[in-house]
Amino acid sequence: NAGVTQTPKFQVLKTGQSMTLQCAQDMNHEYMSWYRQDPGMGLRLIHYSVGAGITDQGEVPNGYNVSRSTTEDFPLRLLSAAPSQTSVYFCASRGTGTDTQYFGPGTRLTVL
Amino acid sequence: QKEVEQDPGPLSVPEGAIVSLNCTYSNSAFQYFMWYRQYSRKGPELLMYTYSSGNKEDGRFTAQVDKSSKYISLFIRDSQPSDSATYLCASHNAGNNRKLIWGLGTSLAVNP
Repeated sequence: NAGVTQTPKFQVLKTGQSMTLQCAQDMNHEYMSWYRQDPGMGLRLIHYSVGAGITDQGEVPNGYNVSRSTTEDFPLRLLSAAPSQTSVYFCASRGTGTDTQYFGPGTRLTVL
Repeated sequence: QKEVEQDPGPLSVPEGAIVSLNCTYSNSAFQYFMWYRQYSRKGPELLMYTYSSGNKEDGRFTAQVDKSSKYISLFIRDSQPSDSATYLCASHNAGNNRKLIWGLGTSLAVNP
C-alpha cells in the first residue's frame, strides 16, 4: 500500500494564480481531510469529506475548493492564490469509526 | 482560548532523559486523546491513543489522561536522538464526525 500520496511536493505560485493540490489514498478510507500547518498556528482543518460526493468546510475554508468524486481522490483547489496561503498542506484519511488518521507527506506551497 | 493548549517549546534534553510532554484541554466532552509524532518535513503519524482517563504504555512511551484536571501527558523513557520530533496532542468527543482538535505541537530535541 502506498498509503496517502500528495503531489506536488513543492510549488511556487504568483499571486492570483490557481492550482490544484492532489491527494490520493489506497486504503479505501471514507474520511479524508485537508489541513494547513503554519508556525504558531498548528494544524488547521480546511475541508473534509465523509465519503464520495460529500464534502464540508473546516476551520479555514476561504479561498479553497474541494470535490470528492471517488473514494480514492480528494483534490484541493486554490482559486486565486494569495501570499496568506503560503503554508504546508497535508492531506489525511481515516477509516469509518476509527481514529487513526494517516497523513500524506505534505505539499510546501509558496505564494509570491 | 484554544480548546487544546500545548506549550510549543522547544524542549532540549540529553539522551537517556525522561521526557514529559503535556497538554490541557477545555472541552469536558472530549473522550478520545491522541499523540501524534511529526518528524521534520514529514506528515504526522499516530503514536499513542487513549480513551477516557487512565494510562497506556507502549514500549518507552506512556500516555496519561486525567479528565478531572483536563490534562494530557506523554512520557518518553530513555529518550533517544531518534525521538527528536514535534509531538502534537489531539482530542475529540466522538460526535461532529470525530473531527480532531489539535494542540500546536511541542518541538523536542534529544541530544547525543
